[in-house]
Amino acid sequence: QKEVEQNSGPLSVPEGAIASLNCTYSDRGSQSFFWYRQYSGKSPELIMSIYSNGDKEDGRFTAQLNKASQYVSLLIRDSQPSDSATYLCAVRPGGYNKLIFGAGTRLAVHP
Amino acid sequence: NAGVTQTPKFQVLKTGQSMTLQCAQDMNHNSMYWYRQDPGMGLRLIYYSASEGTTDKGEVPNGYNVSRLNKREFSLRLESAAPSQTSVYFCASSEIQGGEKLFFGSGTQLSVL
Repeated sequence: QKEVEQNSGPLSVPEGAIASLNCTYSDRGSQSFFWYRQYSGKSPELIMSIYSNGDKEDGRFTAQLNKASQYVSLLIRDSQPSDSATYLCAVRPGGYNKLIFGAGTRLAVHP
Repeated sequence: NAGVTQTPKFQVLKTGQSMTLQCAQDMNHNSMYWYRQDPGMGLRLIYYSASEGTTDKGEVPNGYNVSRLNKREFSLRLESAAPSQTSVYFCASSEIQGGEKLFFGSGTQLSVL
């Protein structure tokens, strides 16, 4: 059973702080990793993808991947109330041609 | 350019009724997917179509059927709805086979009484 685990939250951070969201996965052969953002009542949208160990930055977002420890994280710098959403981690296990999603972490950024 | 369009947005069924959820994409993507989302369980793949003319089961296919009508359209059918199928359903498409970089439709809220 391929699994992707996330803390359901809510993770509450003050405006301007760094929000750190974590995800672990069970399949050591996984090659592709994604973060999707889902606002309440809306559909998920892709915000980050990462394929290699290390950090990948895009604006206020940084994805971090550590394949040896089987975790992927998302950092949101200078968090804004508009970042309040559920963040879904998705992983493509080795040999699979589809994604496995975590249950998501709800982030609340308060002014 | 509408992206991925799903219909209907809301539906209420009685146990045993049937219905078809429609999905169309205008991005010329090869792969299309149907997911369901339940509280605390994330997105679970029901069926997918890696390319026109092919369909495959996902994690939770029981009680569902699909049809890839052409490259643009991928429908999901519930033949005999059950209360356990109450959920939010999302259609998605991807240019890349493998489900990477998914583009989602706006979702269908289905209640089965």
